[in-house]
Amino acid sequence: GDSVTQMEGPVTLSEEAFLTINCTYTATGYPSLFWYVQYPGEGLQLLLKATKADDKGSNKGFEATYRKETTSFHLEKGSVQVSDSAVYFCARLSGGFKTIFGAGTRLFVKA
Amino acid sequence: EAGVVQSPRYKIIEKKQPVAFWCNPISGHNTLYWYRQNLGQGPELLIRYENEEAVDDSQLPKDRFSAERLKGVDSTLKIQPAELGDSAVYLCASSPPTGMNTEAFFGQGTRLTVV
Repeated sequence: GDSVTQMEGPVTLSEEAFLTINCTYTATGYPSLFWYVQYPGEGLQLLLKATKADDKGSNKGFEATYRKETTSFHLEKGSVQVSDSAVYFCARLSGGFKTIFGAGTRLFVKA
Repeated sequence: EAGVVQSPRYKIIEKKQPVAFWCNPISGHNTLYWYRQNLGQGPELLIRYENEEAVDDSQLPKDRFSAERLKGVDSTLKIQPAELGDSAVYLCASSPPTGMNTEAFFGQGTRLTVV
């Protein structure tokens, strides 16, 4: 079935470091792809999305590009802040309605 | 605009007891989802509603779990009886009637602890 695989955490970075969180998805159909973020004590929030190949989603300095040829949707940020500490989930739609999530990657950013 | 509202935020119960969770989706969203998130994992779909109809409940453990969405707005998810393995965060989400390929909007979840 459809699935999403993302790099295991935790990822620990110093403030202003470059962030990459890898994500790959099963290549059935042409799904919409998402990154959700879960801050401590809060619910899931949509961070960014891309709906077709070569689309780049971006928000709050984060970016991810829909790569059909490598079935990837890696999350990047050029300079992380302490406030970016959270759990990040890569996700894809299955059948147009069901969101399939990866296991999540916890990010710690040190001052 | 108000987001998806869930209650309670936290619930601790003894095993074999019943428990219920409530969800109020974003106004105008006809699709409603219940997900379960185990510790250290991503959320997994339990059931999806289109208006008042459950259109995907293949992952719902029907021996002890039940859900309803009367009038196609609010929804409740019930577990009876609860087991230790049911400890998790139960998330409700909704999405608007704009067709396929739209993201879901999530509530803050209910953290259930079964002791």
